[in-house]
This record gives sequence, C-alpha cells and structure tokens, in this order.
Amino acid sequence: RKEVEQDPGPFNVPEGATVAFNCTYSNSASQSFFWYRQDCRKEPKLLMSVYSSGNEDGRFTAQLNRASQYISLLIRDSKLSDSATYLCVVNSNLNKFYFGSGTKLNVKP
Amino acid sequence: EAQVTQNPRYLITVTGKKLTVTCSQNMNHEYMSWYRQDPGLGLRQIYYSMNVEVTDKGDVPEGYKVSRKEKRNFPLILESPSPNQTSLYFCASSNDRTGGSYEQYFGPGTRLTVT
Repeated sequence: RKEVEQDPGPFNVPEGATVAFNCTYSNSASQSFFWYRQDCRKEPKLLMSVYSSGNEDGRFTAQLNRASQYISLLIRDSKLSDSATYLCVVNSNLNKFYFGSGTKLNVKP
Repeated sequence: EAQVTQNPRYLITVTGKKLTVTCSQNMNHEYMSWYRQDPGLGLRQIYYSMNVEVTDKGDVPEGYKVSRKEKRNFPLILESPSPNQTSLYFCASSNDRTGGSYEQYFGPGTRLTVT
C-alpha cells in the first residue's frame, strides 16, 4: 500500500469554479503535511502547509483530518494559472517525506 | 538569489558508467534530500542529510550513494547505473534541521537516461 494516495485526475474545471482534492496517508504517526504545486517538467514548489486546525491562504484552503488520515485542498474561483499538478506531501516521524503521485488540474476558459 | 542548483540538467549515459549529479544550495540549510520522480509513482526519497557528515536512507536508496562533506553540497552518486535508474531527479533543501516542518526548496531537476 502506498504511503500517500491521491486521485490522479485530471480534474477539468471552468474558470471560476471551486474544486477540491483529497489525499489519504497510511502512517498514523505522520507529523507534518503539505501541498506542493508542480508545473509540467518543473520543480515542485510549496503551496501551503496543512495545520491541524485547517488553514486558508487567499483562494486556497487546506484541511487535515487525523482521525480519518486524509488531507484536503480546496481551490475557490479557479484561475487559468491554477492549472498544474498538486502534490500531497506527508512527513513521517523519521524525517522522511512521502509524496503522492499528484492530482492534475486543468482550468479552462 | 536563494536557490538550489543541480548539474547536469540532462544526462544520457550507458549502463555501468559511474556518474555524479551535483547539488548545491546557497541558503545555509542544514537539511538536504534527493528524490526521483517517475510517472505514476510520484516523488520518492532516495537519501537525506540532516547536517554535515550525517546522511540516512530514504525510501529507495538501492543503487545510490551520497556524501555531505560541506553544508552547501550534497552530491548523488550512481556507482553502476542501470536502466531502471532512468528518471527525473530532484535535490531539495530545508531550513529545518529535522526536515519536518519547513518548506523544502527544490532544484530544477536532472533528467537522467541510462541505456
């Protein structure tokens, strides 16, 4: 079983739509959680960390559910520039990082 | 400019020919890490280092070596590359000594093909 699982998509949405991604992780002892964004053939870049209480950054909201071991990312008012692959990342208690295989988002005019 | 650099960016080589991919960061970060990215598998951690002379295995260390003799550099060594090591490789660094809570900054990637 993979440490981190994501729906690969693609999610095809119109501009202005709200879209949500989920990610599940298998290690209940995981300590830190992140969403990264990766554009085609480029390096991943941090979108946001995910905190237990949930957190928001502009149009992006991240939630963590430790009991069910899943993380979510909500994007409101999607822009064309949001088209990318979104990577769910989990840090285990051994300083190792586990990445999901990514969810591809296509925002269309 | 704060950055992580990798060289080479592209490399085509043959089975068994030793190679080194360099990684350097100018942010004085203690934590550095190597990943490989393959279609459908996402990024998988190869090795990481929490400080000079401190390295540890990630999820897929077989066939790779690393060293951390200086804080800024973390080279990845393939002693005898094989075709299953054909992949996109990323180096990353973080300001968090434990690597756990802080943002990782990634290099631009090295696309390696082993024939």
